[in-house]
Amino acid sequence: DVKVTQSSRYLVKRTGEKVFLECVQDMDHENMFWYRQDPGLGLRLIYFSYDVKMKEKGDIPEGYSVSREKKERFSLILESASTNQTSMYLCASSTPGGNTGELFFGEGSRLTVL
Amino acid sequence: RKEVEQDPGPFNVPEGATVAFNCTYSNSASQSFFWYRQDCRKEPKLLMSVYSSGNEDGRFTAQLNRASQYISLLIRDSKLSDSATYLCVVPNAGGTSYGKLTFGQGTILTVHP
Repeated sequence: DVKVTQSSRYLVKRTGEKVFLECVQDMDHENMFWYRQDPGLGLRLIYFSYDVKMKEKGDIPEGYSVSREKKERFSLILESASTNQTSMYLCASSTPGGNTGELFFGEGSRLTVL
Repeated sequence: RKEVEQDPGPFNVPEGATVAFNCTYSNSASQSFFWYRQDCRKEPKLLMSVYSSGNEDGRFTAQLNRASQYISLLIRDSKLSDSATYLCVVPNAGGTSYGKLTFGQGTILTVHP
């Protein structure tokens, strides 16, 4: 089975702290994604990557950056956390293909910024 | 029109009922569509894909209407275990990047005894 593992299920951080969210997948997928999920807004794409060292902005990249140094690992970085970044963060991976619809998600990281 | 928009719900139905959700999309060039299921406090998982006019898998039927730009999900003989949030998903709905998916906000279904 495909496994996408997010390093932390629950985090509590203070405003202004730097936050790292790590994601690792074990299926050699080229594509990796970071979404945030908020009530009433659904899943919104923050960043994605279709290859090592490649990244593209999603719909809401402001306040975030990402790193993809190895194929299996995709990190989301909040340089200076703010309270409006309190959310559920979901990492996903998929195989290439313009109409590929199957994303494999991690269990999510619930971040609270105080 | 939003890129992907769903019935807001929530839908509360008794066991055995038939329930249908609709989803509209804005990009007429989209070729394939997907329904995901998300259980409470869990990650989303692919439920069904729709590449042509429709797809059926047991009690679940997904239909596509390209002219009106909507897809639907029909659940027959609802079970308690069908209670979840159902997400409508459209690839490249923004008409931009490779492999990008856009999710609707989800429709909550609760099946009660």
